[in-house]
Amino acid sequence: QVQLVESGGGVVQPGRSLRLSCAASGFTFSSYGMHWVRQAPGKGLEWVAVISYDGSDIFYADSLKGRFTISRDNSKNTLFLQMTSLRAEDSAMYYCARVFSAYYPLDVWGQGTTVTVSS
Amino acid sequence: DIQMTQSPSSLSASVGDRVTITCRASQSIRNSLNWFQQKPGQAPKLLIYAASALQSGVPSRFSGSGSGTDFTLTIISLQPEDFATYYCQQSYSAPRFTFGPGTKVNIK
Repeated sequence: QVQLVESGGGVVQPGRSLRLSCAASGFTFSSYGMHWVRQAPGKGLEWVAVISYDGSDIFYADSLKGRFTISRDNSKNTLFLQMTSLRAEDSAMYYCARVFSAYYPLDVWGQGTTVTVSS
Repeated sequence: DIQMTQSPSSLSASVGDRVTITCRASQSIRNSLNWFQQKPGQAPKLLIYAASALQSGVPSRFSGSGSGTDFTLTIISLQPEDFATYYCQQSYSAPRFTFGPGTKVNIK
């Protein structure tokens, strides 16, 4: 079945880095754009970043100020989010989600991976 | 940037009630509006896309309407499994997305 599984979350000290992964299965990963969306504890959904099906187009939320990098490996059906200079306010559940094309909705989501930034 | 607002932020309703949630965009987004349902501990689930199209597998008691800046999600005859938080999301500025702040539907 169509599935997205995130991994790589954990507890990290402020200023450190972390790389999240999102493994896709059950569909042609290389045909879909992919997004990262995060949700701080008890808060709403915040869009983080998007990468096109072939990796040629990438966009980020302005609030990230260049600290995060989204990438993908279509040969391994995997999406990544490299996070650097982590802050307490980056603590959240991070979800990956697919989109068929730019204006289409996020129709499949992973279950998320938790990132906690704390000393 | 397009800002999204939702009202109310929370509501209490009973099983069988009709529930209406409103979403407003800071500028016209035509029909580029999606609705998601999120239950505690779960990922969001797509309910409605393009303002009024029902996602496959979603019960027909859910419906969406609106265009431009004002949109509505309606649940007719609320069921126990519908108690959740609902988010609107604009895709007009795709590939950048913006979510509304959410509306929590509580049991009365």
